Amino acid sequence: DIQMTQSPSTLSASVGDRVTITCRASQTISSWLAWYQKKPGKAPKLLIYKASSLERGVPSRFSGSGSGTEFTLTISSLQSDDVATYYCQHYNSYPLTFGGGTKVEI
Amino acid sequence: QVQLQESGPGLVKPSETLSLTCTVSGGSISSYYWSWIRQPPGQGLEWIGYMSYIGSTHHNPSLKSRVTISVDTSKNQLSLKLSSVTAADTAVYYCARGVSMPHYFDYWGQGTLVTVSS
Repeated sequence: DIQMTQSPSTLSASVGDRVTITCRASQTISSWLAWYQKKPGKAPKLLIYKASSLERGVPSRFSGSGSGTEFTLTISSLQSDDVATYYCQHYNSYPLTFGGGTKVEI
Repeated sequence: QVQLQESGPGLVKPSETLSLTCTVSGGSISSYYWSWIRQPPGQGLEWIGYMSYIGSTHHNPSLKSRVTISVDTSKNQLSLKLSSVTAADTAVYYCARGVSMPHYFDYWGQGTLVTVSS
């Protein structure tokens, strides 16, 4: 199985800050990576697919980059509505696996 | 707007079979790939398996042969059966629509908590 490792596990920042979350794959996954936002009691929301493609309707302050084994999710200007846990997921092969999550706090 | 809604018992006894249904509205189940994903309390997300409308399927080997996923196109529903459950199967269970092959997920249900306890 491909292991996905996210860092940091928790991140505290101020409104307006630039925030970066890292996701590393245990083997190369090309650009087959998605990012999700998860709020308590809500369904996960797709933000980014194919490492850097923004899902329609997602604010442009979210961006993704990377390929191979190292990827980043960036929030260019953190908003209070962005408080959530963020997960990466590879879809290079089965089984599909997720990172452990990064909790973003204000 | 595609919507997914999970339903089923919130409490299952150890060694019994967990059964959940996911009803898809606002779109047809007769396309895409349909998965179950779970999140144990305080833990991360674990993909359980998928089935497509044409019957292709794949399960997470970590769950061995305990998983059965099926699609009922006439009812626009996806179902999950997980046999021989233990307390480790306590989790919020989500259904989700998969895009591409292998897939990422563009629509998710709200999730349903299933507790395994006697």
